[in-house]
Amino acid sequence: QKEVEQNSGPLSVPEGAIASLNCTYSDRGSQSFFWYRQYSGKSPELIMFIYSNGDKEDGRFTAQLNKASQYVSLLIRDSQPSDSATYLCAVNIRRGGADGLTFGKGTHLIIQP
Amino acid sequence: EAQVTQNPRYLITVTGKKLTVTCSQNMNHEYMSWYRQDPGLGLRQIYYSMNVEVTDKGDVPEGYKVSRKEKRNFPLILESPSPNQTSLYFCASRKVAGRVGELFFGEGSRLTVL
Repeated sequence: QKEVEQNSGPLSVPEGAIASLNCTYSDRGSQSFFWYRQYSGKSPELIMFIYSNGDKEDGRFTAQLNKASQYVSLLIRDSQPSDSATYLCAVNIRRGGADGLTFGKGTHLIIQP
Repeated sequence: EAQVTQNPRYLITVTGKKLTVTCSQNMNHEYMSWYRQDPGLGLRQIYYSMNVEVTDKGDVPEGYKVSRKEKRNFPLILESPSPNQTSLYFCASRKVAGRVGELFFGEGSRLTVL
């Protein structure tokens, strides 16, 4: 069973609309969840993290977490062409070792002007 | 400026020729890690280090070595590179006491093994 799953896309959204990115995870005991943005050919950049069920807002970004459904999402309001990138979901999956951050494969988002 | 620096950024080499990709951070972070990123496979962890002289395997350690003799440096060594190690490599760091996902990434090193 895959540990962190994302739809690879591409997800195409008109400029000014809301982009909705989804992620599911397998470990019910996971406690921390992260969204990274990665522009083509560049390194990932942390944009949001969430630990508690519910919504967390930061500017145009809202992260939503539902631990019962093992589901985390990222909403981008008033989408801009500069938001076009790949968005990586990362989850702290419990493992035998000390480090358990697991990345999804990413969703490619395209904002159409 | 706080940063993670990787070198080289681009490298083309041949099978079996040993190479080292260097990684250095100036944020006094205890934790450092190496990832590789391949199309369709995402980011996968190779090795990580929680502090000086402490290293551990990630998900895909085969064919790689690392060392952590100093806090700021975490080189990735390919003793005998093979074509399946052609990939985009990222070094990352964070404070151990910080959030596990609050990683700072280097700019990446694109490696091609012929």
